[in-house]
Amino acid sequence: GENVEQHPSTLSVQEGDSAVIKCTYSDSASNYFPWYKQELGKRPQLIIDIRSNVGEKKDQRIAVTLNKTAKHFSLHITETQPEDSAVYFCAADSNYQLIWGAGTKLIIKP
Amino acid sequence: GAVVSQHPSWVICKSGTSVKIECRSLDFQATTMFWYRQFPKQSLMLMATSNEGSKATYEQGVEKDKFLINHASLTLSTLTVTSAHPEDSSFYICSARGVALAGGFTDTQYFGPGTRLTVL
Repeated sequence: GENVEQHPSTLSVQEGDSAVIKCTYSDSASNYFPWYKQELGKRPQLIIDIRSNVGEKKDQRIAVTLNKTAKHFSLHITETQPEDSAVYFCAADSNYQLIWGAGTKLIIKP
Repeated sequence: GAVVSQHPSWVICKSGTSVKIECRSLDFQATTMFWYRQFPKQSLMLMATSNEGSKATYEQGVEKDKFLINHASLTLSTLTVTSAHPEDSSFYICSARGVALAGGFTDTQYFGPGTRLTVL
């Protein structure tokens, strides 16, 4: 079955700098890769997603890249702000379910 | 669009009682709903997948007689934790996927706000 690995588990960056979170997956049949942001005690919220027919997608300060050959995808946040502090989860679809990464706690230092 | 509500947001109950959690899709038809459990500082753990009108599919290790799931309509799924015990205390979150009222299927999962269950 699908396995999703996410790194790093914790990422601390200076406000204004960029943050990159990486995920790898094992099932070559996966074709949908969403990223969710979860603030403490709240629901996960979709921030961006990408499908296998696209290599990169951007939405303002957030971008996701996908390398199907290498089976990895990454989340890029530029010009980080305090409100970006949260836990970020990557996921990959498999058999109509999402297989989740372990999460990355992003800390934005003032 | 794509709003999912969950009720209650928190519940405290005595050991041995049953607790029902409701998950509703407010502006779309949820053909599939997912129930997750999340422990502090951990990822989402899928408990079961339910398709409207059919029996839920439980993940390995999840007791279907303890966690009863009903998905009787395209906008409502319920999770009942039967004979709850302290080890069932957790954050339970539902998500839904389906067809927008304006048409078109979406495979994006939209999450409810979660239910914090504490069993004394």
